Amino acid sequence: AQKVTQAQTEISVVEKEDVTLDCVYETRDTTYYLFWYKQPPSGELVFLIRRNSFDEQNEISGRYSWNFQKSTSSFNFTITASQVVDSAVYFCALSEAVPGANNLFFGTGTRLTVIP
Amino acid sequence: DTGVSQNPRHKITKRGQNVTFRCDPISEHNRLYWYRQTLGQGPEFLTYFQNEAQLEKSRLLSDRFSAERPKGSFSTLEIQRTEQGDSAMYLCASSFRETYEQYFGPGTRLTVT
Repeated sequence: AQKVTQAQTEISVVEKEDVTLDCVYETRDTTYYLFWYKQPPSGELVFLIRRNSFDEQNEISGRYSWNFQKSTSSFNFTITASQVVDSAVYFCALSEAVPGANNLFFGTGTRLTVIP
Repeated sequence: DTGVSQNPRHKITKRGQNVTFRCDPISEHNRLYWYRQTLGQGPEFLTYFQNEAQLEKSRLLSDRFSAERPKGSFSTLEIQRTEQGDSAMYLCASSFRETYEQYFGPGTRLTVT
C-alpha cells in the first residue's frame, strides 16, 4: 500500500531563515514518482516538482531545493532564505507507475508560516 | 487563462439536494482527475478519466456520486441526496498523460447545511 507521511504539522520561521520540510513515503513498487505541491491561502494547489524513482540527483530551483534519498524513502524540501510569500501548506505526494489511475497519494501537509 | 477551471467556486446546499460541479481541464490533457479535500487533510482521489472513459473509481465514491466527461473535454461531478459529510473542497486536476504532473483547478467548496 502507498503512504506518504509528513510528520511536521506546522512550522514557523522568521523571514530569511532556511527551512526543511520532511516527507517519508512507502510503496511496494520499484517505479514511482514523487511530487511537491504548494497550497497558498487562496486554496489552489500549485505544482512545484516531479521526480522519478530512478533519479536520485538533488535538484535546485532558485531558493527551492529537494533531497531525494531512496535508502531512507525520503524526499525532503528545503526553502532557503524564506520569504513571507512562502507561507502556505506544502504537500508531498506519491504516484505509482503501474498501469491504471496513477493518481496522487498525498500526505497531510505541513503548514509553513514565515514571520516578517 | 489556460489553466484548469472549476465552477462554481462555492456551493451551499441543503441536505438531500442534488448538486453538480463542472471542471474544464487544460486543453490537450487527456487525463482528468477528481479529488476531495477536507479540512487539515491532503486531497483524496475520487475518480479519473482518460479521454471520455471513466476508468477507475475510489471506494470513497459512493453510489450517490456520478461523474461524466462527454467528448473527453469538460467533466461534471454530481452528488445526489447530499449529506453533511459531503461538505468538502472538490478539486479537479488534469495531466497530459499518465504519471505526468497534475495541474489543479481552484476547487469547488461545498457546504451542506
